[in-house]
Amino acid sequence: EAGVTQFPSHSVIEKGQTVTLRCDPISGHDNLYWYRRVMGKEIKFLLHFVKESKQDESGMPNNRFLAERTGGTYSTLKVQPAELEDSGVYFCASSYRTGDNEQFFGPGTRLTVL
Amino acid sequence: GDSVTQMEGPVTLSEEAFLTINCTYTATGYPSLFWYVQYPGEGLQLLLKATKADDKGSNKGFEATYRKETTSFHLEKGSVQVSDSAVYFCALKIIGTYKYIFGTGTRLKVLA
Repeated sequence: EAGVTQFPSHSVIEKGQTVTLRCDPISGHDNLYWYRRVMGKEIKFLLHFVKESKQDESGMPNNRFLAERTGGTYSTLKVQPAELEDSGVYFCASSYRTGDNEQFFGPGTRLTVL
Repeated sequence: GDSVTQMEGPVTLSEEAFLTINCTYTATGYPSLFWYVQYPGEGLQLLLKATKADDKGSNKGFEATYRKETTSFHLEKGSVQVSDSAVYFCALKIIGTYKYIFGTGTRLKVLA
C-alpha cells in the first residue's frame, strides 16, 4: 500500500512568488492534515480536512495560505504571495478516522523563500 | 494549553552508547504520547507510542514509558547504531482529538 506522498520534495522561490504544494493521502483515508515546521522549531498543526470539507483551519498563519481538497482526494496548499518567514518543511498526514491515534505522515516539502 | 518540551540537540554519541532523550508534557486532557523519527531524506515515521499511564512503548530497541506523575515520556536505547542518526520528535495527542502537539525535535548523530 502506498504511503502519503508529497510534491515537490523541495521548492525554492523568491519572496512575492506563488507556490503550490500537493499531498496525496493514503487511499481510503478521509482525514487529511497539514503541519509545518519552521526553522528548527516544533511541528505545528495547520489544518484538517474530512473528505473535501475543512474541519479546522485554526493553525493557518494568515490569508496568504489557501488549502483545498477538491473531490476529497489529494490536497493542495497554496502560498501567495510567499514571504521569507514561510520557509520551512510542510508535512501532510492522513488517517482513516478522525480520532485515530496514528496519523501517517508524508516525507514533507521543504520550502525555501529567498 | 497543551505543550511538549524535549531536550535540545544535537546529541552526538559513539556507536553502542546509551541514549536518553528527555520529553515532558503539559496537557489539558488525557493524552496519548508518541515518538516520531525522521531519517535523512525521509518523512516522519512513528517509532513508538503509549496510550495510558505506565504503558511502555517499544520498537527497534527504543523504549519510552508513560509517566503521568512526572508528565514525562523519555526515549531510551541501550546501544545506539550509526543508522539511528535522525531527528526525533516527541508528541502528544489528546484522546479523541486529531491534533498532534509536537516538541521541537532532537537531532541525534551517532559516530562509528
